[in-house]
Order: sequence, then C-alpha cells, then structure tokens
Amino acid sequence: AQKITQTQPGMFVQEKEAVTLDCTYDTSDPSYGLFWYKQPSSGEMIFLIYQGSYDQQNATEGRYSLNFQKARKSANLVISASQLGDSAMYFCAMREGSSGSARQLTFGSGTQLTVLP
Amino acid sequence: GAVVSQHPSRVICKSGTSVKIECRSLDFQATTMFWYRQFPKQSLMLMATSNEGSKATYEQGVEKDKFLINHASLTLSTLTVTSAHPEDSSFYICSAIYLAGYEQYFGPGTRLTVT
Repeated sequence: AQKITQTQPGMFVQEKEAVTLDCTYDTSDPSYGLFWYKQPSSGEMIFLIYQGSYDQQNATEGRYSLNFQKARKSANLVISASQLGDSAMYFCAMREGSSGSARQLTFGSGTQLTVLP
Repeated sequence: GAVVSQHPSRVICKSGTSVKIECRSLDFQATTMFWYRQFPKQSLMLMATSNEGSKATYEQGVEKDKFLINHASLTLSTLTVTSAHPEDSSFYICSAIYLAGYEQYFGPGTRLTVT
C-alpha cells in the first residue's frame, strides 16, 4: 500500500485565492512526522512546513498551514493568498519514528500547482 | 537554515564512463545523508542511506556496485555512478540530517545526462 497518497496530479488556483493540496498517509507507527516540500522547476527542494504526530495544534508557517486530521490520516497543505511564485510541484512526505531516529522520508507523487494571474 | 551543496549541478557523460557527484553540508555536521533519484515529473525515490564511517544501506532494487556511495567525513558524501548508461540519466538529490533532527536539508540536485 502507498504510504503517502497525493490524489491531485495538477491544481490551478487564481492569484490571491487560497488553495488546499491533499495528502493522506498510512502508518502503524504512533510516532511520525509529516512534511511538505515545494519543488520549483529549478529542482531544489524547499522545506515548507512540518507536523509531528503528537502535536496538538496544526502547524502554520506564514501563508502555509497544515490541516492535520489524525483520525482520517490526512495532512493537507493550505496556501493562503496564492502568488505567481507559488507555481511549483508540491510533495507531501512522511518520516516514521520519532524525531530522534534518523529515518528516511517517503514522498508522495506530488501535485503540480499553477497559479493563474 | 542549514546549507547543503551538490557538485556538479549538471553533467553530461558518455555511456560506459563513471561520474562522481559530491554532496556537502556546509555549516553543520551531517551524521546521515540520503541519496534520492527523481525521473521527470515523478517523485523522489530513495536510493540509499549513508552514515559517516560506515557502509551505505541501499534500498531494494538499487545496485550497490553500480551506485557507489562513500560518506568519508561528517560533511561529505559522494555518489559514483559507474559504467553509466542512458537509463541512468536522471536528477540526483542528496539530503543531510544533523544528528537525528527532524528536518532533512536538501542539496540543489545534479542533473545527469548519459549519451
């Protein structure tokens, strides 16, 4: 089974609007971390936001927020007030185990976001 | 945030030759580095995990004799693609972790083209 599922291969949003990128995950480990990365056409991976499985509050970083619904195993990324520079590929990723374990990330298939002027 | 560099950023080589890609953590000591491969419009696939001073752990299906990984110091890991073939053409990205922190710091990637 897929550990990270991103069901939206492509999304369009109007500039200044908000957009939600979906991510569901599958793990039996009670301790895990969820990440979102942005990958522009240059290829670099830009860390956006992190949510730990035991975090009580949804993570927020500027215009990015993570809608963490643990019972549904979903960790959707919300981008508010979209900008043209937000156009990129977005990856959801998971690390199983506590932050004290240096385990690898498992990535979803990605969502290509295009912001329209 | 922490900085990870990769060199070269782009490389074109002839089939049958070997190519070395370097991954350096510039301002922290990386106890663990990861090597990923990404085909166009696809996700990142983990190739191997490299710990300083020990042998790399390869993911299933990755040929360790073809993709040689060396993590000789806390700031440098290298990936050598031996006897490269056109199907090895891909985007290779490394990442590094400081001790066992939660965040992986990614390098900018290396685009390999084998002709």
